[in-house]
Amino acid sequence: DTEVTQTPKHLVMGMTNKKSLKCEQHMGHRAMYWYKQKAKKPPELMFVYSYEKLSINESVPSRFSPECPNSSLLNLHLHALQPEDSALYLCASSQDLLYEQYFGPGTRLTVT
Amino acid sequence: QKEVEQNSGPLSVPEGAIASLNCTYSDRVSQSFFWYRQYSGKSPELIMSIYSNGDKEDGRFTAQLNKASQYVSLLIRDSQPSDSATYLCAVNIKGGGTSYGKLTFGQGTILTVHP
Repeated sequence: DTEVTQTPKHLVMGMTNKKSLKCEQHMGHRAMYWYKQKAKKPPELMFVYSYEKLSINESVPSRFSPECPNSSLLNLHLHALQPEDSALYLCASSQDLLYEQYFGPGTRLTVT
Repeated sequence: QKEVEQNSGPLSVPEGAIASLNCTYSDRVSQSFFWYRQYSGKSPELIMSIYSNGDKEDGRFTAQLNKASQYVSLLIRDSQPSDSATYLCAVNIKGGGTSYGKLTFGQGTILTVHP
């Protein structure tokens, strides 16, 4: 089973709202990732967690705040977003940092 | 030079033909290489991974890696209309500090297989 689940599927939020995206995997993977994908562009890495510790932060604005409560869960907390943050947000997981990454279905975020 | 570059598309092949997708990368220490397929409106789906020089075959798909030339390719044999999608080459390079995990994607090649 190579399933990564993400909730919600769609999210519309105002610029003053606070919301969270959730990601879960039950494959025993020790690395989890957040990506952002704009239309007709490849995914761009935002954050990497390895063994529940933040390993890479790709200079993402502080209005995006990741959290890894345990080895199966990954959250992305959103606050005071801008309309240009509207995108597909993808979660992925892998056995370890060098191995195949499996993507969840994504959350399509619209900031109004 | 971009870190990962794919041959420009779009690529159109007839049903039953071989589709050839190419990718070059700039980081000599990269150790893992992947091909993903992405249908419109969906998330990327892993179709091949390759870690060492040579060929790796899985059904109709063959990945080829040449680390000396910093080149990775994907062949799709007996192409089907259902193979029509965007194909993304991804290379795992070192991110911040000494960690791997930074999957860097090429711009993608749109493949259309026509009946």
